[in-house]
Amino acid sequence: AQKITQTQPGMFVQEKEAVTLDCTYDTSDPSYGLFWYKQPSSGEMIFLIYQGSYDQQNATEGRYSLNFQKARKSANLVISASQLGDSAMYFCAMRGVQGAQKLVFGQGTRLTINP
Amino acid sequence: NAGVTQTPKFQVLKTGQSMTLQCAQDMNHEYMSWYRQDPGMGLRLIHYSVGAGITDQGEVPNGYNVSRSTTEDFPLRLLSAAPSQTSVYFCASSSNSRGEQYFGPGTRLTVT
Repeated sequence: AQKITQTQPGMFVQEKEAVTLDCTYDTSDPSYGLFWYKQPSSGEMIFLIYQGSYDQQNATEGRYSLNFQKARKSANLVISASQLGDSAMYFCAMRGVQGAQKLVFGQGTRLTINP
Repeated sequence: NAGVTQTPKFQVLKTGQSMTLQCAQDMNHEYMSWYRQDPGMGLRLIHYSVGAGITDQGEVPNGYNVSRSTTEDFPLRLLSAAPSQTSVYFCASSSNSRGEQYFGPGTRLTVT
């Protein structure tokens, strides 16, 4: 079975600072993918970034990067130069070898950016 | 390009009533899924489909039925609503390339 653990229920960060959101995972699948989603107060789920288990380099998408440490089974999201609009819930998720239709989500981290 | 659409956005049901949550996607994605999100929790998979005519159960399937007659549509049926089904329901679709799922705006369902 796959499991995602997000140990930070809430985080408070000053605007323009960098922030790291933690995510650890557990799986026995040899191939898997890791995702981060953002859920603002309006409720929609927004895809941010993806890391494949065999990717050699850490994924980056604009201000988002994924600190992937395979041996530690961690996939932390790093947001550089945080903005007020980054305030939201952030979810880490993974898929296994069974494919794209089945994601397992963590419980999320509520990020608040203070001006 | 509408992406993934869901109707209705809000719904209130009485215990024992049935209803269908609609989901449609226009991205020609093979895979579609239904999740529920309860307060303070992440999303949990209810049912999923890998193509027209093929569906399977996820983590929390009890009380729900699905069918997939076309690539575009994936309705979720509540057979006999219970207060425990009060939740926000998300439909999502994905291709097979990487697996990132594109979500609809959600349906907030309250069962009294």
